[in-house]
Amino acid sequence: GNSVTQMEGPVTLSEEAFLTINCTYTATGYPSLFWYVQYPGEGLQLLLKATKADDKGSNKGFEATYRKETTSFHLEKGSVQVSDSAVYFCALRTDLRGGTSYGKLTFGQGTILTVHP
Amino acid sequence: EAGVAQSPRYKIIEKRQSVAFWCNPISGHATLYWYQQILGQGPKLLIQFQNNGVVDDSQLPKDRFSAERLKGVDSTLKIQPAKLEDSAVYLCASSLPLDGSEAFFGQGTRLTVV
Repeated sequence: GNSVTQMEGPVTLSEEAFLTINCTYTATGYPSLFWYVQYPGEGLQLLLKATKADDKGSNKGFEATYRKETTSFHLEKGSVQVSDSAVYFCALRTDLRGGTSYGKLTFGQGTILTVHP
Repeated sequence: EAGVAQSPRYKIIEKRQSVAFWCNPISGHATLYWYQQILGQGPKLLIQFQNNGVVDDSQLPKDRFSAERLKGVDSTLKIQPAKLEDSAVYLCASSLPLDGSEAFFGQGTRLTVV
């Protein structure tokens, strides 16, 4: 079955530091890959996505590249801000071409990021 | 555009009691999901609807959980009777039934079973 593994957290950084949160996946079919973010007291929000191999998703200075050969989708940001403090979830969805449950998201366990001034 | 609405935001009940959660998806979104997020874990799909039909309920504990989506719009998720391990945040999400469509999430209902 499908599964997503994220690096163990929590992650604590100083402002302007470089961020990497590792994500690897196991899937059948042709998955799309996502990063969702959950700010304190708020619901899950889509941060970025990639729908096929070698695609790069980007948003708000965050980037992630869909690497089929290493089954990875690592999240990176060159210079984090205090406002980036949140929980980050990597997720996959097996789309219609290869999956049996179209639209279902499978999530990793989440990584808590805390950025200090 | 209004987002996914859920109520209540918080609920505390005793074990063996029943509880119900309500979700109103974004207008026009035919696909609706209920996820369970236990503290420290990622959300896990409980049930997925396409209009008022069930697409996937393979991980719904059917002996105690039930969900319906009458008229293909609002949905309710019920737990009867609740167990301590049901303490979690219950998330509702909706999307258009199109390949690549983004799922939009509500703020969730935090359930504590004591």
